[in-house]
Amino acid sequence: DAKTTQPPSMDCAEGRAANLPCNHSTISGNEYVYWYRQIHSQGPQYIIHGLKNNETNEMASLIITEDRKSSTLILPHATLRDTAVYYCIVTRGNKIIFGKGTRLHILP
Amino acid sequence: NAGVTQTPKFRILKIGQSMTLQCTQDMNHNYMYWYRQDPGMGLKLIYYSVGAGITDKGEVPNGYNVSRSTTEDFPLRLELAAPSQTSVYFCASSYTQGLSYEQYFGPGTRLTVT
Repeated sequence: DAKTTQPPSMDCAEGRAANLPCNHSTISGNEYVYWYRQIHSQGPQYIIHGLKNNETNEMASLIITEDRKSSTLILPHATLRDTAVYYCIVTRGNKIIFGKGTRLHILP
Repeated sequence: NAGVTQTPKFRILKIGQSMTLQCTQDMNHNYMYWYRQDPGMGLKLIYYSVGAGITDKGEVPNGYNVSRSTTEDFPLRLELAAPSQTSVYFCASSYTQGLSYEQYFGPGTRLTVT
């Protein structure tokens, strides 16, 4: 599975869009990009995933570059409840490898 | 649906004791997983199962055993507990859509071995 690189931490003002980047330059053609988040010490929560096209659901949007070497998770209107560690994962199967993720702080 | 449930929530073991962490899902998912998370670190896969009767090792299987006799249950057994097994343990399950898997996680079991 491809390795991902994320910034260790980011800040975002409440009500603004939070844009979380992820680099995955070694991604192969049949690997999906997944995003999960972990709020405090709870179990991780699935957010969104995609293969090539941009995706949107009720939680977030996923923008994948045309060469698929990087992606951005967008939380359109961040709230204090979005404070969490966000994990970007690239995999082609059911086994996912969690890195250290990005710790997102939402500032009031 | 309750989703993925784990018991117990907390447990303290003495070195050398054994215990079983329970995990149950009611979503009829065929895949199930066990992870551990050490403080400040990401999750590491211990074991996983692709269906009843089928299990396989993950990244860190040593010191653990699993079984999968039903679709719903995936218990994790710790034999001869060691301080290095102090961690938070998460169980997860997923369904498949082609090569697409979304994992649903339980609330975790916090284990301390002293």
